[in-house]
Amino acid sequence: NAGVTQTPKFQVLKTGQSMTLQCAQDMNHEYMSWYRQDPGMGLRLIHYSVGAGITDQGEVPNGYNVSRSTTEDFPLRLLSAAPSQTSVYFCASSLRGDWGNTIYFGEGSWLTVV
Amino acid sequence: QQQVKQSPQSLIVQKGGISIINCAYENTAFDYFPWYQQFPGKGPALLIAIRPDVSEKKEGRFTISFNKSAKQFSLHIMDSQPGDSATYFCAASNLQDAGNNRKLIWGLGTSLAVNP
Repeated sequence: NAGVTQTPKFQVLKTGQSMTLQCAQDMNHEYMSWYRQDPGMGLRLIHYSVGAGITDQGEVPNGYNVSRSTTEDFPLRLLSAAPSQTSVYFCASSLRGDWGNTIYFGEGSWLTVV
Repeated sequence: QQQVKQSPQSLIVQKGGISIINCAYENTAFDYFPWYQQFPGKGPALLIAIRPDVSEKKEGRFTISFNKSAKQFSLHIMDSQPGDSATYFCAASNLQDAGNNRKLIWGLGTSLAVNP
């Protein structure tokens, strides 16, 4: 099992560019989520999905889109990158929901917007 | 509004010492309290979790102490080692919540450095 796989590991974007962070899990987990981590801000939930075809907003959804066409994949799209989106992004999955189940995180994607 | 307050923000401990990280919560309905450990350059990973029906849970050198009346829980790392140097996150949730109310509330993290 690879667990949760994120790509790319590092990315530099120019302001206004768009990009997609890829995430895949091979554990047949229903629940997937995206977090961003910033110094002093902890982990903040961007979007989450409770199953294929179902997504919802988390704490900081503005500027990001997600879709869940399959159980395995949960890409995060930055529509028009802004310097405020410079952060480390983590994709995560859990069997049902992160509120009571073990969350498995990917290794992170470091994004810099210049 | 920070519903789970974690302290200290950073901690330096000598090898062999005890590391203590504290978390306080406001919502008395919280009934699941996990701790996640994050090494530099990696994603967080579940370290240990506790439910409020017990006051303490121990796994190796790691112990969660839970004080329901004070609405506090803490992580104790005994005989701290340089390999324990990481960021630690506490969190809390109410397993009885339904629908969109179900969420895990995170503390802001504690950066632990264990000096050799």
